[in-house]
Amino acid sequence: EIVLTQSPATLSLSPGERATLSCRASQSVSSYFAWYQQKPGQAPRLLIYDASNRATGIPARFSGSGSGTDFTLTISSLEPEDFAVYYCQQRINWPWTFGQGTKVEIK
Amino acid sequence: EVQLVESGGGLVKPGGGSLRLSCAASGFSFSNAWMIWVRQAPGKGLEWVGRIKSKTDGGTIDYAAPVKGRFTISRDDSKNTLYLQMNSLKTEDTAVYYCTTVDFAGRIYWGQGTLVTVSS
Repeated sequence: EIVLTQSPATLSLSPGERATLSCRASQSVSSYFAWYQQKPGQAPRLLIYDASNRATGIPARFSGSGSGTDFTLTISSLEPEDFAVYYCQQRINWPWTFGQGTKVEIK
Repeated sequence: EVQLVESGGGLVKPGGGSLRLSCAASGFSFSNAWMIWVRQAPGKGLEWVGRIKSKTDGGTIDYAAPVKGRFTISRDDSKNTLYLQMNSLKTEDTAVYYCTTVDFAGRIYWGQGTLVTVSS
């Protein structure tokens, strides 16, 4: 099973600041990699698929990069609605696995 | 537009309790899709539960270790519906259960989830 490790666990930032979230895989997942945003009481929302493709309706301030074992989600300028928990996920192997999450909170 | 709508969650007692979840799918070719169940315990992260391939790809089903032997995934392609039969439920099965699928382009779609609570 591929283990995904996200860092940091919590990111305390102010609106307008840049957020950089990381996820490292225990073995290569090529580009079969996704990022999600989740708010309380809601289903995960797909932000980025195949490492760098923005999902439909996702603002351009969200970008994904990386391949192999190291991936980054960047939010260029935080909006109030961006404060949430973010998860990474790999789908190259079964079972699909997820990172433990990074909480982006208001500083 | 792809839509996945889960139903069937509720409160059930631990030990001998059973529940069957359904996921009604629309907006894509369900019979050709591989379907996946994912769950999320309260305040916890996301956990893969199991996957069923399309019949044309062999219909193979795989389960996560914590549910193997207790949960059964099935599909009815004539009704565009995915099922999760859950038997011998434990308190640690308490979670929101999501059905998901991935399209040819790599986009992953999720339902809104259904809550299963296992408690006496």
